[in-house]
Amino acid sequence: SQKIEQNSEALNIQEGKTATLTCNYTNYSPAYLQWYRQDPGRGPVFLLLIRENEKEKRKERLKVTFDTTLKQSLFHITASQPADSATYLCALGNNAGNMLTFGGGTRLMVKP
Amino acid sequence: DGGITQSPKYLFRKEGQNVTLSCEQNLNHDAMYWYRQDPGQGLRLIYYSQIVNDFQKGDIAEGYSVSREKKESFPLTVTSAQKNPTAFYLCASTIDRVRQFFGPGTRLTVL
Repeated sequence: SQKIEQNSEALNIQEGKTATLTCNYTNYSPAYLQWYRQDPGRGPVFLLLIRENEKEKRKERLKVTFDTTLKQSLFHITASQPADSATYLCALGNNAGNMLTFGGGTRLMVKP
Repeated sequence: DGGITQSPKYLFRKEGQNVTLSCEQNLNHDAMYWYRQDPGQGLRLIYYSQIVNDFQKGDIAEGYSVSREKKESFPLTVTSAQKNPTAFYLCASTIDRVRQFFGPGTRLTVL
C-alpha cells in the first residue's frame, strides 16, 4: 500500500537557520508533490507544488526538491523566523487528479 | 471575500446521534472533499465530489454520508454507525484538481 513518511518528531531550530523537512514515500509514482502549512486548530494552506519532471522549486524563502529515484522530497525554509513555526504536510497526487495522499506532517519550532 | 466556510467550529455528539457538518464555498470550484484528521496523523479522505449530484467514497467512508445538491455546498453527516467519530474534520475544494483550498475545520467530540 502507498505510504508517506514524515518525521513525526518536532524539529527545533534557531531563528535565522535553515529548516529542512523530509518527505519519503513508497509504493507510489506521483505526478506531483505538494507542501502545505497547518497552524494549530486550522486548515492546511497550500505552499508549493513540484511536478515529477522538476528537480527544484523556489518561492521566496522556501525551496522544494523532488527526487523520484530516491522517492524523497526535501522542504527548506531559509532564514527561518518564529512565525514559521507550524506543522508542514506533504501530499502526493497523480494525473487522475482526483485525490491527494497526505503524510502525517512534521512540526517545526523556530526559537528566537 | 472568496473562501470556504465550515460550521460549526466545535460540535458535541451523544452516542447514537447523527450530526451534520456544513461546508460552503463561493470560489466556484467544481471539486470538493472531506477529510478526517486525528492527532499527530495525516489527513484521510472520507468522500469527494467532482460535480453536482455525484460523489465517491474515499479511504474511510464507512459511517459517513454526503450530498452534493448545489455546487457551493457539500455537507457531511456522521452517522451512529461511525464508532470513533471524535476527530478534526476538514473540507476542501479545488478548481484545478491539484491545489486544494481548505476550510477552518470542525472539531467533533463524542460525549
